[in-house]
Amino acid sequence: RKEVEQDPGPFNVPEGATVAFNCTYSNSASQSFFWYRQDCRKEPKLLMSVYSSGNEDGRFTAQLNRASQYISLLIRDSKLSDSATYLCVVNRGGNTPLVFGKGTRLSVIA
Amino acid sequence: NAGVTQTPKFQVLKTGQSMTLQCAQDMNHNSMYWYRQDPGMGLRLIYYSASEGTTDKGEVPNGYNVSRLNKREFSLRLESAAPSQTSVYFCASRDLAGNTIYFGEGSWLTVV
Repeated sequence: RKEVEQDPGPFNVPEGATVAFNCTYSNSASQSFFWYRQDCRKEPKLLMSVYSSGNEDGRFTAQLNRASQYISLLIRDSKLSDSATYLCVVNRGGNTPLVFGKGTRLSVIA
Repeated sequence: NAGVTQTPKFQVLKTGQSMTLQCAQDMNHNSMYWYRQDPGMGLRLIYYSASEGTTDKGEVPNGYNVSRLNKREFSLRLESAAPSQTSVYFCASRDLAGNTIYFGEGSWLTVV
């Protein structure tokens, strides 16, 4: 089993739709969690951190469920510019490298 | 504010040739990383350096070597390039206190 698993998609949604991505992680000792965004032929960039209490940044909401070892990202009112690959990232702590999921591809269609 | 800079951006190599990918960061980060990304495979860690003077193997180190030249610079060397090493290579750095990892713009390498 991969340490971080995501549905690869693609998710094809119309503009204005709400879409949710899920991610599961296998290491219960994981300490912190993030969503990164990667545009086509570009480098990944931090979208938002994920906190146990849930956190929101504009149209984006991230949730963490430690008991189920599950992270989610909700995008409301999708824009064409949201089309990208969304990477789930887990920090196991200390000096260990971050662990990246393979990503979920989103296409927002006009 | 350059962040993470990697060179070259594009390179075509013949099988068996050698080359070095250069990476430098100006954020005073302790940790640096080299990843490769192939279609459908996601980011795979090749080597990393948790701090100046140390290097460790990642998930796919075979065929590569690295040098952490100083705190700013971390290079990746292909001694004898193979077509299987055709990929996009990303260098990254991270400040452990901040958790965020910052990537360079990528190097597109084709081995023919």
